[in-house]
Amino acid sequence: DQQVKQNSPSLSVQEGRISILNCDYTNSMFDYFLWYKKYPAEGPTFLISISSIKDKNEDGRFTVFLNKSAKHLSLHIVPSQPGDSAVYFCAAISMNRDDKIIFGKGTRLHILP
Amino acid sequence: GAVVSQHPSWVICKSGTSVKIECRSLDFQATTMFWYRQFPKQSLMLMATSNEGSKATYEQGVEKDKFLINHASLTLSTLTVTSAHPEDSSFYICSVPPPGGLFSGANVLTFGAGSRLTVL
Repeated sequence: DQQVKQNSPSLSVQEGRISILNCDYTNSMFDYFLWYKKYPAEGPTFLISISSIKDKNEDGRFTVFLNKSAKHLSLHIVPSQPGDSAVYFCAAISMNRDDKIIFGKGTRLHILP
Repeated sequence: GAVVSQHPSWVICKSGTSVKIECRSLDFQATTMFWYRQFPKQSLMLMATSNEGSKATYEQGVEKDKFLINHASLTLSTLTVTSAHPEDSSFYICSVPPPGGLFSGANVLTFGAGSRLTVL
C-alpha cells in the first residue's frame, strides 16, 4: 500500500511559468512533509518542508501548500527555470515510524525553453 | 544538513561476486544511517536502517543475508551486496539524518550521491 502518491510521472512547463507538482497521502498521522529534488545519477537534495500544523511554507521561488482535509500537498515553483528540470520526490515522516521517511515515486519535471 | 560521501559512484560486476558500497558522514558522528534503493522510474525504497555498534534493522522483504550492512564506526556504514545477480542492478543511496534525529527541528535527511550497481 503506497502511503505517498505522486500520480503524475512527468510534467512539462514553459520556462518562466509556474510549475505545480502534486502529492497525495493516505496516512493522517504524518507530521512533516518534504520535497526532494534529484538529478540523474545523483542523490536527492532537500528542497523544502512543511509541518502538518501549517498550510503553507515559502522559500524563494518554492512554495509548498498543505491541505490536510484533502490529504494533499503541492509544490509550486515560480518562475520555472531550466535548472529546475529534475525528478521531484514528495516524502512524509511520521513520528510513529521511528525517523523513517516514506517517498512517493517522483514526478519528472521538464522545463521547456 | 550533514555532508555525506558515498563510494563507489558506479560499479559493474560479474554475476555471483560481492560488491561493497561505503557511506561516510564527513562532518558529524552518525549513530544511524539509512540505505535506500531506487529502480528506474520508481520510488526510493528504504532497505534498512544501519545502527552503529548493533545490527541493522531491515525492512520487510529485504534479505538480510543478501544485503549485509555494517556500521562499525560513527562515520562509516557499508552495504555489501553478496552473490550479486542481474536483478540486483539498481541505484543504491545512503542517507544520514541530522544530529538529534529527524524530529530535532531540522528534519532534513541528507543523501549521498548514490552508487549505481550493474551486474552482468
